[in-house]
Amino acid sequence: QSVLTQPPSVPGAPGQRVTISCTGSSSNIGAGYDVHWYQQVPGTAPKLLIYDNNNRPSGVPDRFSGSKSGTSASLAITGLQAEDEADYYCQSYDSSLSAVVFGGGTKLTVL
Amino acid sequence: EVQLVESGGGLVKPGGSLRLSCATSGFTFSNAWMNWVRQTPGKGLEWVGRFKSKTDGGTTDYLAPVKGRFTISRDDSKNTLYLQMNSLKTEDTAVYYCTTDLKSGTTPFFDYWGQGTLVTVSS
Repeated sequence: QSVLTQPPSVPGAPGQRVTISCTGSSSNIGAGYDVHWYQQVPGTAPKLLIYDNNNRPSGVPDRFSGSKSGTSASLAITGLQAEDEADYYCQSYDSSLSAVVFGGGTKLTVL
Repeated sequence: EVQLVESGGGLVKPGGSLRLSCATSGFTFSNAWMNWVRQTPGKGLEWVGRFKSKTDGGTTDYLAPVKGRFTISRDDSKNTLYLQMNSLKTEDTAVYYCTTDLKSGTTPFFDYWGQGTLVTVSS
């Protein structure tokens, strides 16, 4: 059971917009800690996708965006492409655990 | 170009020990907060611990289940991070990733990742 809750899977058609939710609590996201997102293509290491809620590292397309409100955060992907098929993880910090925490991951399937 | 290369993984019996290394290049290692993150099929991604830069105190923090069994160290002269794992348990079986935290902000995040090294704890 992960501290941050994500849907196990999300389907989407090419060109569509999809969102992936990440729900936390008052000791992590709700306490004001930022949320970060990673993309992991099967067989490879995770890659930083969004940091500090809504910032993209150099090289990440602007089709990817993040938002945060209250105890939750979301990752949005517009203009879905086949290469976006991957696992997506959210991450934050939990003050009661004094630890970095991750979501359980969401498998994005491009139909 | 930032590069992180882990080594030292393998098969070890429960109760045994293993030492992982992470050789780095392409950034100022001595200024970076360095982390270990592991991944298992069942539990997903799990932060293991970190070693802050010497200028930021040079202290370590660990996930509760590994505290007292795992030790993170670093050699800034060799740009290398280590993870000494003792009293290994079957639940420590995972791919272990070395990661950087170059921003060192209030909420840590991991800018760069190595390719990972597999640790299997089994009799």
